[in-house]
Parts: sequence; C-alpha cells; structure tokens
Amino acid sequence: SQKIEQNSEALNIQEGKTATLTCNYTNYSPAYLQWYRQDPGRGPVFLLLIRENEKEKRKERLKVTFDTTLKQSLFHITASQPADSATYLCALLMDSNYQLIWGAGTKLIIKP
Amino acid sequence: EPEVTQTPSHQVTQMGQEVILRCVPISNHLYFYWYRQILGQKVEFLVSFYNNEISEKSEIFDDQFSVERPDGSNFTLKIRSTKLEDSAMYFCASCIRGTDTQYFGPGTRLTVL
Repeated sequence: SQKIEQNSEALNIQEGKTATLTCNYTNYSPAYLQWYRQDPGRGPVFLLLIRENEKEKRKERLKVTFDTTLKQSLFHITASQPADSATYLCALLMDSNYQLIWGAGTKLIIKP
Repeated sequence: EPEVTQTPSHQVTQMGQEVILRCVPISNHLYFYWYRQILGQKVEFLVSFYNNEISEKSEIFDDQFSVERPDGSNFTLKIRSTKLEDSAMYFCASCIRGTDTQYFGPGTRLTVL
C-alpha cells in the first residue's frame, strides 16, 4: 500500500530564511500531490496541488516540486515569517479511488 | 468565500451512545468526505460519498458508522454506539469533482467518556 513519509521532527527556521519540507512516498506515483497547512485544533487548509506531469508549482512565497523518479516532493517557504509556524501535511490523491492518503506532517517553527 | 461548516465544534458523549456529526459542504460541490484525526496522529480517510451513495470507505468505517445526505445541504456522519477509541477530530471535506482539491471544515472534536 502507498506510504508517505514526512520528517517527524520539528523544523526550526530563522525568520527570513527559506524553509524546506520533504515528502517521500513509496510505490506508484499519485495523480496529484497536495500540501496543506494545519494549525492546532483546526482542519487542514489547502495550499498547493501539483500534478504528476508537473515539475514545479509556485504561489506567492510558496513553491512545490515533484520528482516522480525520486518519489519525492519538496515544499519551500521563502522569506519565512513567524505566522508561517504550523504543521504542514503532504497528501496524495490516488486517481483510482479519489482517496487522499496523508503524511503525518512536519511541524515548522519560525523563530523571530 | 464559501466554506465548509461543521457542527458541533465539540461533542462529549458517553461510551455506547449514538452521535451525529453534521457538515454543510460548499453548495456546488458534489463529492463529500469524512476524515478523522486522533490526537497526535495523522489524518485518516473514513468515507467518500457521491451521487447519494458511498463510493469508497476505509477499514475504519465499520458497521457502527453511517453517512447520509438527508437534504440538499447537510452531510452527516453517525456513530451508532461510540467507543473510547472513537475520540478524535472529525473533518468533513467537499470538492466539485473527485480529482479536485478537497476543502475541509474546521472539524468536530468528539470526546467519548
């Protein structure tokens, strides 16, 4: 079955630097890979979606890459701010059944 | 901007009781989902619903669980006889097409005592 790995340890980044989070998956490539932000006690909030035939997607300070050879996606936040502190979840949408398969998330802490 | 809403925000119940969690998906969306997240663990898929029937369900979604779209706006998750291990955040999500981004509600925190 499909497994997703995200760094379980919190990532501490100095304000203004670029934060880079990693999502690795096993088995076959999903149709879509999505990144969500989740704050404590809240639902996931969609950030970016990247398709299997896309290498990179950008939205303001966010950038996502998708390498189907490495079976990896990288999520970058440039010019990071303390307000970016949250848990970031990687999720794969399987086109066989439209299920979202989730990673455990990486907690990002941006220090002022 | 339209959003998915869920009620109640927090539900406390005794073990063995029935609970109904309610969701109002975004109005023009056609696919509906329930997920749960046990404290400190990853989000888990429960069920997807399209065209008034379940399209997929996980192994978590056993006979104690049911979903319903009783009218044109609400989407409910019923747990017939709650267990302690049902304590979790339950999230509803919806999207226009199955391949689209799913938009999540704020969640209902279910506490089973």
